[in-house]
This record gives sequence, C-alpha cells and structure tokens, in this order.
Amino acid sequence: QSALTQPASVSGSPGQSITISCTGSNSDIGTYDHVSWFQQHAGRAPKLMIHDVTNRPSGVSNRFSGSKSGNTASLTISGLQAEDEADYYCSSYTTSATRVFGSGTAVTVL
Amino acid sequence: QVQLVESGGGVVQPGRSLRLSCAASGLTLNEYGMNWVRQAPGRGLEWVAFISYDGSLQHYVDSVKGRFTISRDDFKNTLFLQMTSLRVDDTAVYYCVKGATKMDFWGQGTLVTVSS
Repeated sequence: QSALTQPASVSGSPGQSITISCTGSNSDIGTYDHVSWFQQHAGRAPKLMIHDVTNRPSGVSNRFSGSKSGNTASLTISGLQAEDEADYYCSSYTTSATRVFGSGTAVTVL
Repeated sequence: QVQLVESGGGVVQPGRSLRLSCAASGLTLNEYGMNWVRQAPGRGLEWVAFISYDGSLQHYVDSVKGRFTISRDDFKNTLFLQMTSLRVDDTAVYYCVKGATKMDFWGQGTLVTVSS
C-alpha cells in the first residue's frame, strides 16, 4: 500500500498550463479508472476536482482536466490563476479493495 | 444541503482508545460507501478505512488493521471510527468522506493527538 508518486512541487505563471503526474502500478492506476484528484488549500478540507480519470463534478472549472496512460494519471490546469495555488493529491482504487493517495504536489503560481 | 460533522477528537495517551463520530445530514449514510481519511500535521492524505453502503464490507489500511473499526448507526445516521491501541503516529486530522470510489464530499475533520 505504498503511496502513489507525485512531484513535490510544480509552478507556473498566470495563464500558463501545468501538468501534475501521478504514478502508480498495475495494482491501482493500471487496473482501474477510479482515479480522482483533490485540491486542498491551507487549513481546509480537500475538494474533489476530478473523478474516474476525466470527470469533473458540477461546479469545478473546466480549466481542470484529467487523463491516464498505463500506470500514470495526470491532472492539467489550464489558464493558471492565483486561486489555483494549493496542494493537489491523486487517489486510486486498488486491487485489494483499498484506496491509496498520492504523495501530494504543491502548486505555486509565480 | 449535505453536511458531515466529525467529533470525538482530542489528546490521548499512547495505548489508549478513542471513538470518532461523523454525523451526517442532507444524505442517508446507508445509501453510500463511506471512508475515514487522515492527515498527519504537515503531511499528505492517507486513506484509513471504508465501509460499504450496506455495511457488509469493511477495508482498512494495513497500519490500522486489528486496531481500528469502522461502523455505522443507521438510526442516528452517524459513522464511527473506533480506535484502540493508539500510537503516536496515529496523530492526525481525521476526515469523514462520502463515496465508494468518488470521495466527493468531505467533513471538516477532527484532530486526534496521541501523546504522553
């Protein structure tokens, strides 16, 4: 039950696009499309941004998009805004019927 | 309006027990799978436990197996996490989270501090 691997930090200028990767294994991301992405601002509870690889919940900006290839999922934030500065976590369902989170990525808007 | 309100956190000595509660409103817990997720101070998210919508399945992260029990009271519409043999590394904010695979709604969390 090792955590999924994410880069510790990603940064970009306002208006740019950034992509956060999330690498797992054949026991999680590689087998299931139950990959989610969460945004967490400091001192706040996480918020679901993407579920089932590509799906955005109602109310989430279409600047956020998800994808998956093999054992790696990705979150892309387009048109980066100051309000996007936060920590981002991926998660996946696993072959053990458990759930696993990524190590987290701090996004900085320059 | 959906609300999940956790309670029961506090300071406890190593080896002792604590029970967390998550009172739900605006949704019926026995219609959804539910999770507990924790976050140690300054650290990332860690999934802890899951209970299926009908209560027939429970799953746990290896580090809490045999020590933590997830359960639900349908009459009170409340989710629980019974924690025993607590360790210092169980110190974290514990979140109650709705959803089997989607995890689409989170409570605000309750802080558990395990310290002598």
